[in-house]
Amino acid sequence: QLQLQESGSGLVKSSQTLSLTCAVSGGSVNSGGFSWHWIRQPPGQGLEWIGYISQSGITYYNPSLRSRLSMSLDMSKNHFSVNLTSVTAADTAVYYCARSADTRVFDPWGQGSLVIVSS
Amino acid sequence: DIQMTQSPSSLSASLGDRVTITCRSSQTIRTYLNWYQQRPGKAPNLLIYSASTLQSGVPSRFSGSGSGTEFTLTITSLQPEDFATYFCQQGYSTPRTFGQGTKVEIK
Repeated sequence: QLQLQESGSGLVKSSQTLSLTCAVSGGSVNSGGFSWHWIRQPPGQGLEWIGYISQSGITYYNPSLRSRLSMSLDMSKNHFSVNLTSVTAADTAVYYCARSADTRVFDPWGQGSLVIVSS
Repeated sequence: DIQMTQSPSSLSASLGDRVTITCRSSQTIRTYLNWYQQRPGKAPNLLIYSASTLQSGVPSRFSGSGSGTEFTLTITSLQPEDFATYFCQQGYSTPRTFGQGTKVEIK
């Protein structure tokens, strides 16, 4: 059974870079046809889709974050990562990683990683 | 971006009740509509995809319907573990977007 686990910087200073990694177990990031997504949820709020990277390295970013985002995929470590630059308090959220078989449906999800941006 | 609007934002219901949540999109999304359940402190969990297909392992008391711009999630005979927040999400176009959520609370 595929499992995802986020890890990374829990506290980031304003204007710096947020970095998170999603470790994949029970499956491979190299599996054809899947895309690997990031989604975030500010405390007490709704969900915002950040973007995805495919097994072949193709990325698609939410236009609202595109200028600050980058994603990568490491097949040797079986994980994928996200970097968000120039963070502000508005980037404080629980960050989830998820897999999609068609880019449209997210399943499963990681447990989430809280990132707090401090001034 | 396609805007997703859920109603109600919250509701109170009793065990055994039938509950219906509505999700409307700002433009047609055909049947590219998914529903997720999120329990407090947990990640969302896929319940229904493509508007009406039940994800494997999800109890049959959950059902979804709709197409175009209006969709519903129905829970028949509410169980204790169903008290949670429910989100709809469109998979028709990018960026993918979610509804604001509907919190189902115990009456």
